[in-house]
Amino acid sequence: QVTLKESGPARVNPTQTLTLTCTYSGFSLESHGMRVTWIRQPPGKALEWLARIDWEDDKFYSTSLKTRLTIFKDTSKKEVVLTMTNMHPVDTGTYYCAQGSYDLIENWGQGTRVTVSS
Amino acid sequence: DIVLKQSPDLQSVTPKERVTITCRASQRIGSSLQWYQQKPNQSPKLLIKFGSQSISGVPSRFRGSGSGTDFTLTIDSLEVEDAATYYCQQSAGLPFSFGGGTKVEIK
Repeated sequence: QVTLKESGPARVNPTQTLTLTCTYSGFSLESHGMRVTWIRQPPGKALEWLARIDWEDDKFYSTSLKTRLTIFKDTSKKEVVLTMTNMHPVDTGTYYCAQGSYDLIENWGQGTRVTVSS
Repeated sequence: DIVLKQSPDLQSVTPKERVTITCRASQRIGSSLQWYQQKPNQSPKLLIKFGSQSISGVPSRFRGSGSGTDFTLTIDSLEVEDAATYYCQQSAGLPFSFGGGTKVEIK
């Protein structure tokens, strides 16, 4: 059974860097085709694709956010970490990590809420 | 980047009615389109993959169709439990992207 759980601060100040951790189980991110994706959702708004890391350590980012995002994995800890610099109130929302094979996003975490406010 | 436009934004439907949601891509994406269902305060759930392929455990009343730039999600005989927001998502080109969502509410 695949499970993913996001963790990180519930609140960050504007201009700070957000660090979120996705802890997963039930699959190996070293297996061919496996991928973990981060997606966010502002309150009452649509889903937004942020970043993805693949089993071969290839990394892909949202065009509009790529200068602020970094994704990396630690397979020994079964973790995928996303950092986002220079946080702004518009970055408030729920952040999800999700797993899939090849081009699918199949299994989602419960999400973690982040509020950007001073 | 590929942009997905969904319509309508909101659909108010009586139980047992048929629901049709459309998703239009800004460029041809073959069949590289998925549909998700998100209920309030829940994570999205994959309903349909690659345009029309079913997902194990998803009721057969959910059907996907289309290819190229125009796609449709059909819910045959809507049930009360289907009240949710539905999103399309393309996997034809990175970065992947989602549509703006269609909220289906029960009359």
